[in-house]
Amino acid sequence: KAGVTQTPRYLIKTRGQQVTLSCSPISGHRSVSWYQQTPGQGLQFLFEYFSETQRNKGNFPGRFSGRQFSNSRSEMNVSTLELGDSALYLCASSLRGDQETQYFGPGTRLLVL
Amino acid sequence: DAKTTQPTSMDCAEGRAANLPCNHSTISGNEYVYWYRQIHSQGPQYIIHGLKNNETNEMASLIITEDRKSSTLILPHATLRDTAVYYCIVRVSHYGGSQGNLIFGKGTKLSVKP
Repeated sequence: KAGVTQTPRYLIKTRGQQVTLSCSPISGHRSVSWYQQTPGQGLQFLFEYFSETQRNKGNFPGRFSGRQFSNSRSEMNVSTLELGDSALYLCASSLRGDQETQYFGPGTRLLVL
Repeated sequence: DAKTTQPTSMDCAEGRAANLPCNHSTISGNEYVYWYRQIHSQGPQYIIHGLKNNETNEMASLIITEDRKSSTLILPHATLRDTAVYYCIVRVSHYGGSQGNLIFGKGTKLSVKP
């Protein structure tokens, strides 16, 4: 079974721009979670989607948003990019979320200049 | 905040067993212990998880103390490719709010040396 895929793998943007990252979960998985990883803050939870609904959210500003489609694929969007948004963005999927094991994709490395 | 404490770094000789400790003294009765590892700049890789019994799979063994306040991840024959940051995570048991997600600490950087 194919793993979690994320596109693009690398991205360079400038301050003030917006960016959209994509995540395709493992086939059959309906829960998708997003995490941000920076050297200073480590791995931090952004939000989780299940059945096209956000049901869990971390402590990030409203510039960070996401959505999930009927095929469980998910996108996250960051508007008005700041230098501090430079990070590795990771997507993880699980069957239904909750207590089930999350499997991570390779991540999208975003650099904001 | 993470509910676990791990050593910052450890070294292990190639071919020897790597034993990575984790303290989780405030763990609740129905919370699981999960282990992930992250090889440089890649996504975290699931290794193993357990509740109270010892667990083993093709990658590793997980030993949980009887009082559940600590655990040890064992890589039986470490190779150079096992060099990574290893995260021990206590997974909260009740879904709702911010409790369904994984809370990562700083982990243990394991260096396997030839």
